Amino acid sequence: QVNLLQSGAALVKPGASVKLSCKASGYTFTDYYIHWVKQSHGKSLEWIGYINPNSGYTNYNEKFKSKATLTVDKSTNTAYMELSRLTSEDSATYYCTKGNYYVMDAWGQGASVTVSS
Amino acid sequence: DIQMTQSPSFLSASLGNSITITCHASQNIKGWLAWYQQKSGNAPELLIYKASSLQSGVPSRFSGSGSGTDYILTISNLQPEDIATYYCQHYQSFPLTFGSGTKLEIK
Repeated sequence: QVNLLQSGAALVKPGASVKLSCKASGYTFTDYYIHWVKQSHGKSLEWIGYINPNSGYTNYNEKFKSKATLTVDKSTNTAYMELSRLTSEDSATYYCTKGNYYVMDAWGQGASVTVSS
Repeated sequence: DIQMTQSPSFLSASLGNSITITCHASQNIKGWLAWYQQKSGNAPELLIYKASSLQSGVPSRFSGSGSGTDYILTISNLQPEDIATYYCQHYQSFPLTFGSGTKLEIK
């Protein structure tokens, strides 16, 4: 069965960076996109961008272009998202998802990021 | 960006009844619409894609319809496990955007 296992909760200081991981199993990693989605506490969902694990091609929401960097390691079936120059506005739960193109048909359990000094 | 307007924001209904949630896109999204269910404390799950196609494993009491700018999610024979927040998402163009969510409560 498809499983996306995300790294644990992170507490980071303002101005720092954090790198979240998402290990995929149960399917051919390079056949499907990986999307990342942000959910601020009690709020709706925001699409950050996606990466094609086969080619490394990325497509970002303009809003997150200078905030997020998406990468993959095909040897370990793991996707990564690095968030830089963190502020309190970046405190949220971040999900990686398996994308059947632009439909998100499997989701990781989410990773909570708290930005606080 | 395409704006997705969902209504209502909150819905209370009785077990066994049917409910509808609507999603209006700010421009024609040509049926490129998905619906997700998010139960409290969990990640969202895909219910419907391409406006009306049921994702594998999703009960048939869930159905989707619509075209152009207006779409509907219908849940028939409401069950206790349907308590959740429901989101629509378009994939007509970038950026992908979601509706603001509809929180469903069972009376």
